[in-house]
Amino acid sequence: AQTVTQSQPEMSVQEAETVTLSCTYDTSESDYYLFWYKQPPSRQMILVIRQEAYKQQNATENRFSVNFQKAAKSFSLKISDSQLGDAAMYFCAYSPGTGANNLFFGTGTRLTVIP
Amino acid sequence: DAGVIQSPRHEVTEMGQEVTLRCKPISGHNSLFWYRQTMMRGLELLIYFNNNVPIDDSGMPEDRFSAKMPNASFSTLKIQPSEPRDSAVYFCASSLFGRGTDTQYFGPGTRLTVL
Repeated sequence: AQTVTQSQPEMSVQEAETVTLSCTYDTSESDYYLFWYKQPPSRQMILVIRQEAYKQQNATENRFSVNFQKAAKSFSLKISDSQLGDAAMYFCAYSPGTGANNLFFGTGTRLTVIP
Repeated sequence: DAGVIQSPRHEVTEMGQEVTLRCKPISGHNSLFWYRQTMMRGLELLIYFNNNVPIDDSGMPEDRFSAKMPNASFSTLKIQPSEPRDSAVYFCASSLFGRGTDTQYFGPGTRLTVL
């Protein structure tokens, strides 16, 4: 069974600094997809970034980038130049590459941005 | 383009009452997902539709829960009778084809409180 683990329940970062959120997963599949979703106080789940397991290149979206280590089954999110609006819960999620694209979520990391 | 629409945003009801949550997926999306978010269990998939057909309902907690998708633009999640332990935020999400490669887009959620 697929499991997603986020070992940091809470993290904080100074505004304009960089922070890295950790995520590990367990799967026997070779083809899959990984996602980071952001959930601000509004509750809306917002896609931040996605990574295809078959791609070696790490995904990047503006200030957000990932460090994808397939052999280690690790998928961390780096937020550069942190902004107050980045404060939210961040969820790592896994989707199998075949069959239904159910999302398996981690327990989340609450990020606080300190002005 | 409108995103996933859910109604109501908040629902407060008394134990034993019937509750109906509604979802309108993104136009053109063929797959629809219902998730539940609680502090204890995090985000978990309840049921998944593809082309209006339920594909996987193994996450539906018990017979009190039922979901329908009568057409491509509307789905309901019904709880009858409701219990206090059903209190949670219920999310609807949609994706293009329901494949692992497809990104799921979430609605704003319905916060359900059962007294």
